[in-house]
Amino acid sequence: KAGVTQTPRYLIKTRGQQVTLSCSPISGHRSVSWYQQTPGQGLQFLFEYFSETQRNKGNFPGRFSGRQFSNSRSEMNVSTLELGDSALYLCASSLPSGGAGELFFGEGSRLTVL
Amino acid sequence: DAKTTQPTSMDCAEGRAANLPCNHSTISGNEYVYWYRQIHSQGPQYIIHGLKNNETNEMASLIITEDRKSSTLILPHATLRDTAVYYCIVRGVNTGTASKLTFGTGTRLQVTL
Repeated sequence: KAGVTQTPRYLIKTRGQQVTLSCSPISGHRSVSWYQQTPGQGLQFLFEYFSETQRNKGNFPGRFSGRQFSNSRSEMNVSTLELGDSALYLCASSLPSGGAGELFFGEGSRLTVL
Repeated sequence: DAKTTQPTSMDCAEGRAANLPCNHSTISGNEYVYWYRQIHSQGPQYIIHGLKNNETNEMASLIITEDRKSSTLILPHATLRDTAVYYCIVRGVNTGTASKLTFGTGTRLQVTL
């Protein structure tokens, strides 16, 4: 069965712009979580959505937001981009939140802010 | 979630067993030990997880000490394709925050000929 799909894979933006990233989870998975990975900070949790509701949130400013649709697909948006937002953004899906199941990660969307 | 400590890097000859240690001395009773790996520029890949018993699957074995304060991931016959960064994390499940993972810096495993 198809894995987690993230689009776009690569994108370049300039400071001040905004960006929307998309994530399609594995069929049947209803929990989608987002992570930011940078060389300096490692992999950091952004937020998790389950049944179209944000269930958990990491320590990121309000410029970072997300949503989940009824088909479990999720988008995250970053407004007023800063140079420090350059990173690999990873999406992971899992069966309903909780339980000792694994997270399945997508290949990520690599964002470069100039 | 409890923090983990791993060596920064390790080398292993192809065909030999790779033993990757992880310290998680502050793990609590409802936290599992998970291992993921990340090959350059790809998303992390799940390897194995366990609570207190040793576990084995087609990829690896996980040995957890009796006091659960440390564990070892074993790749029995490492290949060049196992070169990656390996992350050991502890994850509380059934707490509503199961996806709020904390990845450390991981161990960069280099498998050589």
